[in-house]
Amino acid sequence: ELKVEQNPLFLSMQEGKNYTIYCNYSTTSDRLYWYRQDPGKSLESLFVLLSNGAVKQEGRLMASLDTKARLSTLHITAAVHDLSATYFCAVDIDGEYGNKLVFGAGTILRVKS
Amino acid sequence: GAGVSQSPRYKVAKRGQDVALRCDPISGHVSLFWYQQALGQGPEFLTYFQNEAQLDKSGLPSDRFFAERPEGSVSTLKIQRTQQEDSAVYLCASSLGLIKNIQYFGAGTRLSVL
Repeated sequence: ELKVEQNPLFLSMQEGKNYTIYCNYSTTSDRLYWYRQDPGKSLESLFVLLSNGAVKQEGRLMASLDTKARLSTLHITAAVHDLSATYFCAVDIDGEYGNKLVFGAGTILRVKS
Repeated sequence: GAGVSQSPRYKVAKRGQDVALRCDPISGHVSLFWYQQALGQGPEFLTYFQNEAQLDKSGLPSDRFFAERPEGSVSTLKIQRTQQEDSAVYLCASSLGLIKNIQYFGAGTRLSVL
């Protein structure tokens, strides 16, 4: 059974600081997604990582994928309050009839002013 | 519409009551997914449609859960004889249907079973 583990599950950080969220998964996949979820809102797609060594950056967030280590990271640079949200990684699994996502438990990020 | 739309946003049901949750996917999206998100957890896969065909229902937790998409567009997730453990947010997502396409999520329906 595929397991997707995020670390840490809760992160409180000061504005301006840097930090990394880790996502480990237990089976072979070369497709990984990062989503953001604000309270009461839908999941917003942040990054799609489709190959080993993929790196994507958007503003203060940068995501990378190492398929050999089965590890993805989401790096936060110079955090600002607006980044406070829950972040999920999700691994795309090929089923017999189509693909489905297996999510981590999520990382709750709180950026303090 | 511009995004995936779900209704109702909130549903309170008495234990034993049947409920129906609706999902309107993005126009033209072939694939539709249902996920269940328990409090403080990540979403968990329930079922998947390609057009009107339900190709994977391996995540449905019991035979009380039933999903349909009769015309390949709107989908309904039905839960019969609701139990307290069914309380969760039910998320719908749609994608263009090709492998590797991004899934776009609705805001979800929060179901509370009393």
